[in-house]
Amino acid sequence: QKEVEQDPGPLSVPEGAIVSLNCTYSNSAFQYFMWYRQYSRKGPELLMYTYSSGNKEDGRFTAQVDKSSKYISLFIRDSQPSDSATYLCAMMGIQGAQKLVFGQGTRLTINP
Amino acid sequence: DVKVTQSSRYLVKRTGEKVFLECVQDMDHENMFWYRQDPGLGLRLIYFSYDVKMKEKGDIPEGYSVSREKKERFSLILESASTNQTSMYLCASSLSTFGGELNTGELFFGEGSRLTVL
Repeated sequence: QKEVEQDPGPLSVPEGAIVSLNCTYSNSAFQYFMWYRQYSRKGPELLMYTYSSGNKEDGRFTAQVDKSSKYISLFIRDSQPSDSATYLCAMMGIQGAQKLVFGQGTRLTINP
Repeated sequence: DVKVTQSSRYLVKRTGEKVFLECVQDMDHENMFWYRQDPGLGLRLIYFSYDVKMKEKGDIPEGYSVSREKKERFSLILESASTNQTSMYLCASSLSTFGGELNTGELFFGEGSRLTVL
């Protein structure tokens, strides 16, 4: 079983839809949770960062962490074609020495 | 802006060849990383380095070695390339300290080097 599981998709939704992306994990030592966005033929870029549990909002993006269920989510409101990318969840523990563990990535397409 | 530059975007090599992938960062970051990215498998850590001449194995180091002679440069070496090393290779860098809201330990990635081994 992988430490971090993420549905690779692909996921295709119409413009304006609410998108929900999810990851589950098995390592209870994870404390830092991130979402990276990767456009085609580019490297990943940090999109959202959350420490421990709770929600974090940044514009149209909301990240949620539920440590009791070992489940994290990224919500995109009013999705735009420019949101089309691969979204990777990533996480690490305090002792992780910045060794992030990544999910497989979900390929998302927003159709105009 | 932080910039991580990978020397080659696309490479085609033959089985058994020695391959060098070079990565340079311009933000004086202590940490540097090499990942490979494959469909369905996500990013997997090959090697990382906390400081000059320091290196540690990641999750899939077999068949690879690294070199960090200068702080800004981290090289990945395939001693004898094999077809199963055909992949996208991503270099990343980060600050040494992290924690809390102000310093997330964010990884800054290069644009990747797509290696094909025939």
